[in-house]
Amino acid sequence: DAKTTQPPSMDCAEGRAANLPCNHSTISGNEYVYWYRQIHSQGPQYIIHGLKNNETNEMASLIITEDRKSSTLILPHATLRDTAVYYCIVRVAYSAAGNKLTFGGGTRVLVKP
Amino acid sequence: EPEVTQTPSHQVTQMGQEVILRCVPISNHLYFYWYRQILGQKVEFLVSFYNNEISEKSEIFDDQFSVERPDGSNFTLKIRSTKLEDSAMYFCASSGTTIDRVSYTFGSGTRLTVV
Repeated sequence: DAKTTQPPSMDCAEGRAANLPCNHSTISGNEYVYWYRQIHSQGPQYIIHGLKNNETNEMASLIITEDRKSSTLILPHATLRDTAVYYCIVRVAYSAAGNKLTFGGGTRVLVKP
Repeated sequence: EPEVTQTPSHQVTQMGQEVILRCVPISNHLYFYWYRQILGQKVEFLVSFYNNEISEKSEIFDDQFSVERPDGSNFTLKIRSTKLEDSAMYFCASSGTTIDRVSYTFGSGTRLTVV
């Protein structure tokens, strides 16, 4: 699985958009970009994933650069409940050996009132 | 949405004792996983289980650990002869054949404290 680099922490104002960058310069053609978050020691929660097109769901938007070497997770209107550690993970969608997820340090996002 | 259920939410055990952590995965999922997170550290993969056998395991998953799917619904992690350093949150997860919103879900975890 390709390595990802994320800033260790960032603050965001409540109600504003939060833009979380992730660098994955060694991503290969069949690897997806996945975003998970972990709220205060709860189990990781899936947010969104994408291959090369931008994606949007009710939680967030994912913008992937044309060369796929980096991406940005956008929380459009951050709330206090979005305070969490956000993980960017790059891997294939399916592996016959199993589908483990490799978590890095993530970005600790603090949403402030 | 379907959930992965873990019990107990918190377990305290004495060093050297055996513990069994229990999980009920999502019913139509095919892969089952255990992860752990030591306080303040990263979430670490332990093991994946498919078709009634271990499909992948990490270096952490040594002979002290074992997994079992004793019936059609439960998935357990047994830790023999617990050590202080086994204190952590243990997360169960289950998935289908691909990773997407519905198909890879974590439970809320069991906090294991070894004293």
